Amino acid sequence: QVQLQESGPGLVKPSQTLSLTCTVSGGSISSGGYYWSWIRQHPGKGLEWIGYISYSGNTYYNPSLKSRVTISADTSKNQFSLKLSSVSAADTAVYYCARGGAYSGYASLIDYWGQGTLVSVSS
Amino acid sequence: EIVMTQSPATLSVSPGERATLSCRASQSVSSNLAWLQQKPGQAPRLLIYGASTRATGIPARFSGSGSGTEFTLTISSLQSEDFAVYYCQQYSHWQTFGQGTKVEI
Repeated sequence: QVQLQESGPGLVKPSQTLSLTCTVSGGSISSGGYYWSWIRQHPGKGLEWIGYISYSGNTYYNPSLKSRVTISADTSKNQFSLKLSSVSAADTAVYYCARGGAYSGYASLIDYWGQGTLVSVSS
Repeated sequence: EIVMTQSPATLSVSPGERATLSCRASQSVSSNLAWLQQKPGQAPRLLIYGASTRATGIPARFSGSGSGTEFTLTISSLQSEDFAVYYCQQYSHWQTFGQGTKVEI
Protein backbone atom coordinates (compact mmCIF):
# COMPACT_ATOMS: atom_id res chain seq x y z
CA GLN A 1 0.00 0.00 0.00
CA VAL A 2 1.51 3.27 -1.15
CA GLN A 3 1.32 6.16 1.29
CA LEU A 4 2.21 9.81 0.73
CA GLN A 5 2.76 12.41 3.43
CA GLU A 6 3.23 16.14 2.91
CA SER A 7 5.41 18.18 5.23
CA GLY A 8 6.51 21.79 5.46
CA PRO A 9 5.65 25.15 7.00
CA GLY A 10 1.98 25.95 7.46
CA LEU A 11 2.60 29.69 7.27
CA VAL A 12 4.61 31.57 4.67
CA LYS A 13 5.11 35.34 4.36
CA PRO A 14 4.12 37.17 1.17
CA SER A 15 6.85 37.33 -1.49
CA GLN A 16 8.71 34.40 0.06
CA THR A 17 9.06 30.85 -1.28
CA LEU A 18 6.69 28.06 -0.27
CA SER A 19 8.52 24.76 0.18
CA LEU A 20 6.83 21.39 0.70
CA THR A 21 8.13 17.84 0.70
CA CYS A 22 6.23 14.63 0.03
CA THR A 23 7.57 11.44 1.57
CA VAL A 24 6.50 8.26 -0.19
CA SER A 25 6.35 4.86 1.49
CA GLY A 26 5.30 1.49 0.12
CA GLY A 27 6.79 2.13 -3.31
CA SER A 28 9.75 3.76 -5.02
CA ILE A 29 9.37 7.11 -6.78
CA SER A 30 11.81 5.90 -9.41
CA SER A 31 9.59 2.92 -10.32
CA GLY A 32 8.74 2.99 -13.98
CA GLY A 33 5.39 4.37 -15.11
CA TYR A 34 4.46 6.64 -12.24
CA TYR A 35 4.19 10.40 -12.01
CA TRP A 36 4.41 12.37 -8.79
CA SER A 37 2.12 15.36 -8.65
CA TRP A 38 1.33 18.44 -6.65
CA ILE A 39 -2.27 19.64 -6.67
CA ARG A 40 -3.79 22.41 -4.57
CA GLN A 41 -7.25 23.36 -3.42
CA HIS A 42 -8.09 26.89 -2.37
CA PRO A 43 -10.35 27.04 0.73
CA GLY A 44 -13.86 25.98 -0.22
CA LYS A 45 -12.91 25.87 -3.89
CA GLY A 46 -12.02 23.42 -6.62
CA LEU A 47 -8.79 21.69 -7.52
CA GLU A 48 -5.80 23.11 -9.40
CA TRP A 49 -2.99 21.01 -10.85
CA ILE A 50 0.44 22.51 -10.12
CA GLY A 51 2.75 20.06 -11.84
CA TYR A 52 4.42 16.66 -11.71
CA ILE A 53 7.73 14.91 -11.98
CA SER A 54 8.03 11.63 -13.80
CA TYR A 55 9.74 8.45 -12.63
CA SER A 56 12.62 9.42 -14.93
CA GLY A 57 12.91 12.94 -13.53
CA ASN A 58 11.14 14.93 -16.24
CA THR A 59 9.01 17.80 -15.00
CA TYR A 60 5.76 19.25 -16.30
CA TYR A 61 4.14 22.39 -14.92
CA ASN A 62 0.80 24.15 -15.14
CA PRO A 63 1.45 26.97 -17.64
CA SER A 64 -0.26 29.47 -15.35
CA LEU A 65 2.21 28.74 -12.54
CA LYS A 66 5.25 27.66 -14.51
CA SER A 67 7.30 30.79 -13.89
CA ARG A 68 7.12 30.29 -10.11
CA VAL A 69 7.19 26.49 -9.70
CA THR A 70 9.98 23.97 -9.27
CA ILE A 71 9.38 20.29 -8.57
CA SER A 72 12.32 18.06 -7.76
CA ALA A 73 12.98 14.57 -6.42
CA ASP A 74 15.40 12.96 -4.01
CA THR A 75 15.38 9.27 -4.84
CA SER A 76 17.74 8.43 -1.96
CA LYS A 77 15.07 9.63 0.48
CA ASN A 78 12.11 8.58 -1.69
CA GLN A 79 10.81 12.13 -1.57
CA PHE A 80 9.74 14.78 -4.03
CA SER A 81 9.39 18.47 -3.36
CA LEU A 82 7.57 21.60 -4.41
CA LYS A 83 8.90 25.14 -4.42
CA LEU A 84 6.58 28.02 -5.26
CA SER A 85 8.22 31.43 -5.32
CA SER A 86 6.90 34.95 -4.81
CA VAL A 87 3.78 33.79 -2.99
CA SER A 88 0.78 35.96 -2.22
CA ALA A 89 -2.49 35.46 -0.35
CA ALA A 90 -3.86 33.88 -3.53
CA ASP A 91 -1.54 30.93 -2.91
CA THR A 92 -3.24 30.07 0.38
CA ALA A 93 -4.55 26.54 -0.15
CA VAL A 94 -4.45 22.91 0.87
CA TYR A 95 -1.57 21.33 -1.01
CA TYR A 96 -1.76 17.65 -1.93
CA CYS A 97 0.94 15.37 -3.21
CA ALA A 98 -0.26 12.44 -5.27
CA ARG A 99 0.71 9.55 -7.57
CA GLY A 100 -0.52 9.20 -11.10
CA GLY A 101 0.11 6.88 -14.01
CA ALA A 102 -1.47 3.67 -12.78
CA TYR A 103 -4.48 3.94 -15.09
CA SER A 104 -3.65 3.62 -18.77
CA GLY A 105 -0.34 5.37 -18.11
CA TYR A 106 -1.97 8.77 -17.77
CA ALA A 107 0.00 10.95 -15.39
CA SER A 108 -3.10 12.91 -14.46
CA LEU A 109 -5.11 9.92 -13.19
CA ILE A 110 -4.36 9.75 -9.49
CA ASP A 111 -4.64 6.52 -7.50
CA TYR A 112 -2.98 7.65 -4.27
CA TRP A 113 -3.16 11.00 -2.52
CA GLY A 114 -1.53 12.46 0.54
CA GLN A 115 -3.80 13.79 3.27
CA GLY A 116 -3.07 17.38 2.26
CA THR A 117 -1.49 20.23 4.17
CA LEU A 118 -2.86 23.74 4.58
CA VAL A 119 -0.43 26.50 3.72
CA SER A 120 -1.44 30.04 4.57
CA VAL A 121 0.29 33.08 3.13
CA SER A 122 0.19 35.98 5.56
CA SER A 123 2.50 38.49 7.15
CA GLU B 1 -6.86 26.30 -21.03
CA ILE B 2 -9.83 23.96 -21.26
CA VAL B 3 -12.60 25.15 -18.94
CA MET B 4 -14.79 22.52 -17.31
CA THR B 5 -18.29 23.55 -16.23
CA GLN B 6 -20.37 21.37 -13.95
CA SER B 7 -24.09 21.48 -13.26
CA PRO B 8 -25.90 21.76 -11.01
CA ALA B 9 -23.77 23.31 -8.29
CA THR B 10 -25.84 21.50 -5.66
CA LEU B 11 -28.04 18.46 -6.07
CA SER B 12 -30.50 17.54 -3.33
CA VAL B 13 -31.54 13.90 -3.38
CA SER B 14 -32.77 11.20 -1.00
CA PRO B 15 -31.04 7.88 -0.27
CA GLY B 16 -32.04 5.29 -2.83
CA GLU B 17 -32.73 7.88 -5.53
CA ARG B 18 -30.86 8.29 -8.79
CA ALA B 19 -28.47 11.21 -9.21
CA THR B 20 -27.33 12.63 -12.53
CA LEU B 21 -24.44 15.09 -12.68
CA SER B 22 -23.30 16.96 -15.79
CA CYS B 23 -19.97 18.26 -16.99
CA ARG B 24 -19.23 20.30 -20.10
CA ALA B 25 -15.83 21.05 -21.62
CA SER B 26 -15.06 24.29 -23.45
CA GLN B 27 -13.54 22.22 -26.28
CA SER B 28 -13.42 18.56 -27.13
CA VAL B 29 -11.48 16.35 -24.72
CA SER B 30 -12.43 13.14 -26.54
CA SER B 31 -12.91 10.53 -23.78
CA ASN B 32 -10.12 11.92 -21.59
CA LEU B 33 -12.50 12.69 -18.76
CA ALA B 34 -12.46 11.54 -15.15
CA TRP B 35 -14.81 11.89 -12.20
CA LEU B 36 -13.59 12.30 -8.63
CA GLN B 37 -15.39 12.18 -5.30
CA GLN B 38 -14.34 14.27 -2.32
CA LYS B 39 -15.72 14.04 1.21
CA PRO B 40 -15.14 16.76 3.83
CA GLY B 41 -11.61 16.79 5.18
CA GLN B 42 -10.47 14.08 2.75
CA ALA B 43 -8.47 13.97 -0.44
CA PRO B 44 -10.34 13.31 -3.67
CA ARG B 45 -10.82 9.74 -4.91
CA LEU B 46 -10.88 8.63 -8.54
CA LEU B 47 -14.21 7.09 -9.53
CA ILE B 48 -14.29 7.04 -13.33
CA TYR B 49 -11.71 7.52 -16.07
CA GLY B 50 -11.87 7.34 -19.83
CA ALA B 51 -15.36 8.85 -19.41
CA SER B 52 -16.90 5.49 -18.55
CA THR B 53 -14.41 3.09 -16.91
CA ARG B 54 -14.71 2.57 -13.18
CA ALA B 55 -11.49 2.78 -11.19
CA THR B 56 -10.40 -0.11 -9.00
CA GLY B 57 -12.84 -0.85 -6.18
CA ILE B 58 -15.57 1.55 -7.32
CA PRO B 59 -19.10 0.14 -6.96
CA ALA B 60 -21.18 -0.54 -10.05
CA ARG B 61 -23.80 2.03 -9.02
CA PHE B 62 -21.40 4.66 -10.37
CA SER B 63 -21.43 5.02 -14.14
CA GLY B 64 -20.11 7.58 -16.59
CA SER B 65 -21.00 8.44 -20.14
CA GLY B 66 -20.29 10.97 -22.86
CA SER B 67 -17.51 12.08 -25.15
CA GLY B 68 -16.27 15.24 -26.78
CA THR B 69 -17.67 18.08 -24.69
CA GLU B 70 -20.65 16.61 -22.81
CA PHE B 71 -20.35 14.12 -19.97
CA THR B 72 -22.58 12.61 -17.30
CA LEU B 73 -21.98 10.83 -14.01
CA THR B 74 -24.88 8.73 -12.78
CA ILE B 75 -25.24 7.26 -9.32
CA SER B 76 -28.02 4.71 -9.72
CA SER B 77 -29.16 4.41 -6.10
CA LEU B 78 -27.60 6.81 -3.66
CA GLN B 79 -26.14 5.38 -0.49
CA SER B 80 -25.43 7.44 2.61
CA GLU B 81 -21.69 7.32 1.90
CA ASP B 82 -22.21 8.89 -1.54
CA PHE B 83 -23.09 12.32 -0.21
CA ALA B 84 -20.02 14.32 -1.21
CA VAL B 85 -18.66 16.77 -3.76
CA TYR B 86 -18.00 15.41 -7.25
CA TYR B 87 -15.49 16.90 -9.68
CA CYS B 88 -14.95 16.25 -13.34
CA GLN B 89 -11.37 16.43 -14.63
CA GLN B 90 -10.13 16.60 -18.22
CA TYR B 91 -6.71 15.21 -19.03
CA SER B 92 -6.69 15.73 -22.76
CA HIS B 93 -4.54 18.86 -22.58
CA TRP B 94 -2.66 19.06 -19.29
CA GLN B 95 -5.45 18.78 -16.73
CA THR B 96 -8.19 21.02 -15.43
CA PHE B 97 -11.08 20.44 -13.07
CA GLY B 98 -14.68 21.53 -12.85
CA GLN B 99 -15.88 23.59 -9.90
CA GLY B 100 -17.72 20.64 -8.37
CA THR B 101 -21.27 19.44 -7.71
CA LYS B 102 -22.28 18.94 -4.11
CA VAL B 103 -24.65 16.02 -3.62
CA GLU B 104 -26.62 16.53 -0.44
CA ILE B 105 -29.65 15.14 1.28
